[in-house]
Amino acid sequence: GQQVMQIPQYQHVQEGEDFTTYCNSSTTLSNIQWYKQRPGGHPVFLIQLVKSGEVKKQKRLTFQFGEAKKNSSLHITATQTTDVGTYFCAGPNSGGYQKVTFGTGTKLQVIP
Amino acid sequence: DGGITQSPKYLFRKEGQNVTLSCEQNLNHDAMYWYRQDPGQGLRLIYYSQIVNDFQKGDIAEGYSVSREKKESFPLTVTSAQKNPTAFYLCASGSGANVLTFGAGSRLTVL
Repeated sequence: GQQVMQIPQYQHVQEGEDFTTYCNSSTTLSNIQWYKQRPGGHPVFLIQLVKSGEVKKQKRLTFQFGEAKKNSSLHITATQTTDVGTYFCAGPNSGGYQKVTFGTGTKLQVIP
Repeated sequence: DGGITQSPKYLFRKEGQNVTLSCEQNLNHDAMYWYRQDPGQGLRLIYYSQIVNDFQKGDIAEGYSVSREKKESFPLTVTSAQKNPTAFYLCASGSGANVLTFGAGSRLTVL
């Protein structure tokens, strides 16, 4: 079945440093979504990318969808303590049912 | 307020007991999902449902059961057959674009 892997699993950064997490799917995705889960909370939708090679920005966050639509990345510029949490990518399968598989997640710690 | 309500927030269960976790949404979404999250782990799909009276097994369905009798409701039963049920359970609903909205979760502990 579809597998979605993320690297790194954990990342500690000094406040102000940049951070990047990478997402790789074993199958081609029709779209990819990113979610953020704060400690003790639930995942919250950040963004969806649909087109091959698409790049979207949300303030200090930059999201990219690969040309082959099998990988994606999230880059945070100048991290802040509010960025702490686990970032997940997720993608639906290509079948008729809306099965959404989540990546393994990257846990970000920001050291003030 | 539109959203997803999960209950209970915390639940303790003795070994051998079945428990049912409630999930209700008022977002008018067709699709609903149950995920399991273990400490420091990602989200693993248990069951999902695209329409009323229809549901599909996810990646870790063994020891769990669901029903979808109403569009708004998708309860999950953790049966005694689930070997290691202690976990954080997340319910979500999805729009046509597969964007998911999650509930606050139910934390189940087996004593």
